Amino acid sequence: KAGVTQTPRYLIKTRGQQVTLSCSPISGHRSVSWYQQTPGQGLQFLFEYFSETQRNKGNFPGRFSGRQFSNSRSEMNVSTLELGDSALYLCASSPRGTDSYNEQFFGPGTRLTVL
Amino acid sequence: GNSVTQMEGPVTLSEEAFLTINCTYTATGYPSLFWYVQYPGEGLQLLLKATKADDKGSNKGFEATYRKETTSFHLEKGSVQVSDSAVYFCALSEPGSARQLTFGSGTQLTVLP
Repeated sequence: KAGVTQTPRYLIKTRGQQVTLSCSPISGHRSVSWYQQTPGQGLQFLFEYFSETQRNKGNFPGRFSGRQFSNSRSEMNVSTLELGDSALYLCASSPRGTDSYNEQFFGPGTRLTVL
Repeated sequence: GNSVTQMEGPVTLSEEAFLTINCTYTATGYPSLFWYVQYPGEGLQLLLKATKADDKGSNKGFEATYRKETTSFHLEKGSVQVSDSAVYFCALSEPGSARQLTFGSGTQLTVLP
């Protein structure tokens, strides 16, 4: 079974631009979560989607948004990019969106550099 | 709010040495606890987990015990290998937010032959 895929793997943007990152979960997985990883702040939860609905959201400004499609693929968007948005963005998928814990399977990430 | 505090790195060990990476947590409820590993250029992989007090998670020779009284979940391995070189993250999730993980800062482990 193919793992979680994220595209693109690397991205360079300039301040003020916007960016869209894509995540394809493992086949059959309906929950997708996004995380930001930076050297200074570490790994921080952005949001989780299940059945096209946002279930949880981390403490990030409104410039960070996401969505999930009917095939469970997810995108996240960052508008008006700032230098501090440079990070590795990780996507994780889980089989179900219930409250009980399901293992999250992480993709390799998208490395975003903002110049 | 929730938080996870991990032992500062980096940690450098010789092959076959004993490994301990300390992890303590603060949570409002009764969280589930995890150790994740990140190899260079790869995403995170779940190493082990424990969902209630006194549970012991184990995998690939690594172990960690959920200690509610000390709010700890220390990672141990009796004999490390060069292939264990990676970054290790301790994490927790609260009931009701099962896939919202709070991570520690990570500990870089290097094992020398």
